Amino acid sequence: QVQLQESGPGLVKPSETLSLTCTVSTDLIDSYYWSWIRQPPGKGLEWIGYIYYSGSTTYNPSLKSRVTISVDTSNNQFSLRLTSVTAADTAVYYCARGFGDGYNFDYWGQGTLVTVSS
Amino acid sequence: DIQMTQSPSSLSASVGDRVTITCRASQAISNSLAWYQQKAGKAPKLLLYAASRLESGVPSRFSGSGSGTDYTLTISSLQPEDFATYFCHHYYSTPPTFGQGTTVEIK
Repeated sequence: QVQLQESGPGLVKPSETLSLTCTVSTDLIDSYYWSWIRQPPGKGLEWIGYIYYSGSTTYNPSLKSRVTISVDTSNNQFSLRLTSVTAADTAVYYCARGFGDGYNFDYWGQGTLVTVSS
Repeated sequence: DIQMTQSPSSLSASVGDRVTITCRASQAISNSLAWYQQKAGKAPKLLLYAASRLESGVPSRFSGSGSGTDYTLTISSLQPEDFATYFCHHYYSTPPTFGQGTTVEIK
């Protein structure tokens, strides 16, 4: 059973950088696609981007200028950095595993709420 | 971006009812469509992908159909554990996008 766990600060100040890490409890991070997806409170889901184990990335064009996703296969982790955050970036952030072409998300972390506020 | 429009946004139903949720894409998406179930405070759960392929472990009362721009999720006999919010999700092009959700409530 694959398990994913997000970690990182729950509060970030406006204009600063949001940083989250997802730890994958399997030795198979060197396969599949690994995504970040967010959900503002009471709203729908937004795909942020993914990384393939090889390190290649694809980002949502709406966030591309502010997003970096990286992978650390030796520690079974991948990470999200989102720069210049505003209140609009307040959301529950999920990490997820994607199969097929990377966009079918079969395993998800429990999610972590990140609030952007001074 | 391709816009996904679900209907209805919410519905009330009873245990045993047949429930149908519709998702319309703003352009044809060639069956690149998945359905997720989300319960309060939990991560979404993949139910179906490729419009009609049931994810492993998902009960057979869930089914999907459709083509082109119009897709449907059907629950053949609603069970107590099915009361939740359902999202459609296209992955035909980047970025993949989600519908706004349909909340299934107890009547």
